[in-house]
Amino acid sequence: DVVLTQTPPTLLATIGQSVSISCRSSQSLLHSNGNTYLNWLLQRTGQSPQPLIYLVSKLESGVPNRFSGSGSGTDFTLKISGVEAEDLGVYYCMQFTHYPLTFGSGTKLEIK
Amino acid sequence: EVQILETGGGLVKPGGSLRLSCATSGFNFNDYFMNWVRQAPGKGLEWVAQIRNKNYNYATYYAESLEGRVTISRDDSKSSVYLQVSSLRAEDTAIYYCTMNWEDWGQGVMVTVSS
Repeated sequence: DVVLTQTPPTLLATIGQSVSISCRSSQSLLHSNGNTYLNWLLQRTGQSPQPLIYLVSKLESGVPNRFSGSGSGTDFTLKISGVEAEDLGVYYCMQFTHYPLTFGSGTKLEIK
Repeated sequence: EVQILETGGGLVKPGGSLRLSCATSGFNFNDYFMNWVRQAPGKGLEWVAQIRNKNYNYATYYAESLEGRVTISRDDSKSSVYLQVSSLRAEDTAIYYCTMNWEDWGQGVMVTVSS
């Protein structure tokens, strides 16, 4: 199974600070069709997950452009350029290049 | 507007079974793969099952931890997807989410396995 290792597990940030979350995969997420199926999700407390980024770096509709994704192969990063209060929650990376589909263990973003 | 509503959860005794339903609207259901994802209390997200669409012969895939105990199915005429889970164990206690293409998620349905 593909293991996605997210770091850090917890992130403490001030409003306006830029932060990054790493997601490392135990094997390449490059599919034979040329796509890399790595997404980022945010789950606020008591809510369902919501999509942020798909295909490594594409912003979901309605997601603020302070969110950005990058990476390739096995190393991926979610960056928030200027954290806002509404950004608190748990961030997950997930892959659907390989079965079984897998999620990272999550990074909890807390606001100072 | 996309709407996804899961139903069928509740309290089940160990060894029991249940069928979760996911009714959708607001998008062309036939075009999409559908997935079930679960989240145990205080834990992270765990993929459970996927069913592809007609173009992919409704192929199904399952998490190894549940294989043999779970069946995913869909009814395109009702824009609905289902999850049948049997031989339930305490560790199956979780919120079960239905998701369309990872873009839209339901509110989830709680399943509690306890005697």
